[in-house]
Amino acid sequence: EDQVTQSPEALRLQEGESSSLNCSYTVSGLRGLFWYRQDPGKGPEFLFTLYSAGEEKEKERLKATLTKKESFLHITAPKPEDSATYLCAVQAAGTYKYIFGTGTRLKVLA
Amino acid sequence: NAGVTQTPKFQVLKTGQSMTLQCAQDMNHNSMYWYRQDPGMGLRLIYYSASEGTTDKGEVPNGYNVSRLNKREFSLRLESAAPSQTSVYFCASSEEGLLHFGNGTRLTVT
Repeated sequence: EDQVTQSPEALRLQEGESSSLNCSYTVSGLRGLFWYRQDPGKGPEFLFTLYSAGEEKEKERLKATLTKKESFLHITAPKPEDSATYLCAVQAAGTYKYIFGTGTRLKVLA
Repeated sequence: NAGVTQTPKFQVLKTGQSMTLQCAQDMNHNSMYWYRQDPGMGLRLIYYSASEGTTDKGEVPNGYNVSRLNKREFSLRLESAAPSQTSVYFCASSEEGLLHFGNGTRLTVT
């Protein structure tokens, strides 16, 4: 069964304290892995798409990496404005369906 | 840029009442989706439309109906609301694998 598990559920960091969020997945043929950011009261906002093991993408303080079993979202020197819920999703090859994880709630303290 | 627009933003219903959630996108995307988001459950697919005139059931379709009115609009109808349908509902559209979300409708059924 296709499945996505995110850890930790919640994370509190001091401003400048780097860390990583994990997304473990099982899927019958990966078409793509997606990272989204969700702010309270808003819809998820796209961050990255990764397609194959070894791929990396960066945007400001965020860097996403992908292996055959998991993806990491690395946050370098976070700021309070990085506080949000980060969602991971996978799309299986040959389908339109996206399987979402339950997210990691990140709080960055000033 | 409007993107994906959902109405209403908030709604309170009594058990047994009916309502339609509206969704429109201005990005000329073929695919549109309805998800519900519940605490600890992640985003779950209710219905999907690959193109105008076609719809498919997702993971949790019971109690819902949809209409793909045209390429822009995809509505979700609750015929007889139940407390279990209390949730946040998100509409999304996609092209080339990337989901674009609206800001959601927060529905409470008492």
